[in-house]
Amino acid sequence: QSALTQPASVSGSPGQSITISCTGTSSDVGYSNYVSWYQQHPGKAPKLMIYDVSERPSGVSYRFSGSKSGNTASLTISGLQTEDEADYYCSSYTSSSTFLFGGGTKLTVL
Amino acid sequence: EVQLVQSGAEVKKPGESLKISCKGSGYSFTNYWIGWVRQMPGKGLEWMGIIYPGDSDTRYSPSFQGQVTISADRSINTAYLQWSSLKASDTAMYYCARALTSRDSFDPWGQGTLVTVSS
Repeated sequence: QSALTQPASVSGSPGQSITISCTGTSSDVGYSNYVSWYQQHPGKAPKLMIYDVSERPSGVSYRFSGSKSGNTASLTISGLQTEDEADYYCSSYTSSSTFLFGGGTKLTVL
Repeated sequence: EVQLVQSGAEVKKPGESLKISCKGSGYSFTNYWIGWVRQMPGKGLEWMGIIYPGDSDTRYSPSFQGQVTISADRSINTAYLQWSSLKASDTAMYYCARALTSRDSFDPWGQGTLVTVSS
């Protein structure tokens, strides 16, 4: 099983919006609505930001939103803030009853 | 407060065995799944496997099947990840994390256990 495909890096200025894509196949992203996004700051454990494609856990800012079309899921962060600078990973449940993570995207807030 | 607390960093030699732990608190340990995730130095997250402490139902990633063993002791609310013979390539940070079902997202995560394998 290959990792889901994410851009290696994205950047934006404070206040702007950015979108990170996560491309898989009909056996993972396209198969299930169990797509999640995690934020990881350097030296820290990952934190759940979006689950079930577009749901936000309690305590996560409304500026984070998720969506999916076919085999590609997306995470959008609006009103970028400096504290959003981190690595972001998508994850999907698969038809083989396993999980796949994306390769990760480094977000730089300029 | 729901918490997962992992055991401390380990330094081992190739060929040695190791068992690291993940203790859950603040929730019913037997009603949630615990997953394990590897992060090699400077690399991304890799899903290793998941266990349901309620009945020890365990699933492994094909990449890790036969390489590690996941177990749990529900009497002490603790899940484990173990190796019988470590390799240098096992050097990584290992995270445990909780999931409501075997299909669900992971939340929260433990703080991580750094395993270093070096001769």
